[in-house]
Amino acid sequence: GAVVSQHPSRVICKSGTSVKIECRSLDFQATTMFWYRQFPKQSLMLMATSNEGSKATYEQGVEKDKFLINHASLTLSTLTVTSAHPEDSSFYICSAGTSGYPETQYFGPGTRLLVL
Amino acid sequence: GIQVEQSPPDLILQEGANSTLRCNFSDSVNNLQWFHQNPWGQLINLFYIPSGTKQNGRLSATTVATERYSLLYISSSQTTDSGVYFCAVEGGGGGNKLTFGTGTQLKVEL
Repeated sequence: GAVVSQHPSRVICKSGTSVKIECRSLDFQATTMFWYRQFPKQSLMLMATSNEGSKATYEQGVEKDKFLINHASLTLSTLTVTSAHPEDSSFYICSAGTSGYPETQYFGPGTRLLVL
Repeated sequence: GIQVEQSPPDLILQEGANSTLRCNFSDSVNNLQWFHQNPWGQLINLFYIPSGTKQNGRLSATTVATERYSLLYISSSQTTDSGVYFCAVEGGGGGNKLTFGTGTQLKVEL
């Protein structure tokens, strides 16, 4: 149980284009999903918290107009990187939080984005 | 915000050896989890352990919340244990927001 999927797993795009990444909880409902970014050989950094039916909460320093988050249902959150630039190239990982105790997070397999 | 430091940053083991990974955090926490990130990037939950001791096969973990540290023990290491180990904590602010530690890169050799 507690499986989280991400799509696509890998994407290469040209500078200036937008890229959408989907995060789905496959066997449970997640009222809260999280988006992280990980640069090579570094730790995960939380970008934003995505709540179903409401606006996402962004961490300090993360541009909300560049990283658009939509949490349309209890099993789907999307991250859109708008007008991508080479410095946006990174590994993007989502997680979904279970309700109840303990409140653990389960992580998707990640999406590798390369902006040329 | 809460700071999470892990040691050692890198570790190389011979297959069959034991190891201890440490996670220090700067403030009280509501939640602490240990994860293994495999070479393909997938994060795998190992333990939810805000306090106490748990064991799962060759792995065990202990968190001493009052002293703000947690330890992950790996016994009889195998090559499949290679990867990066992260601890992550949820601070007192709640919201289930995790702050990840700096990670320990483990390589297990034959």
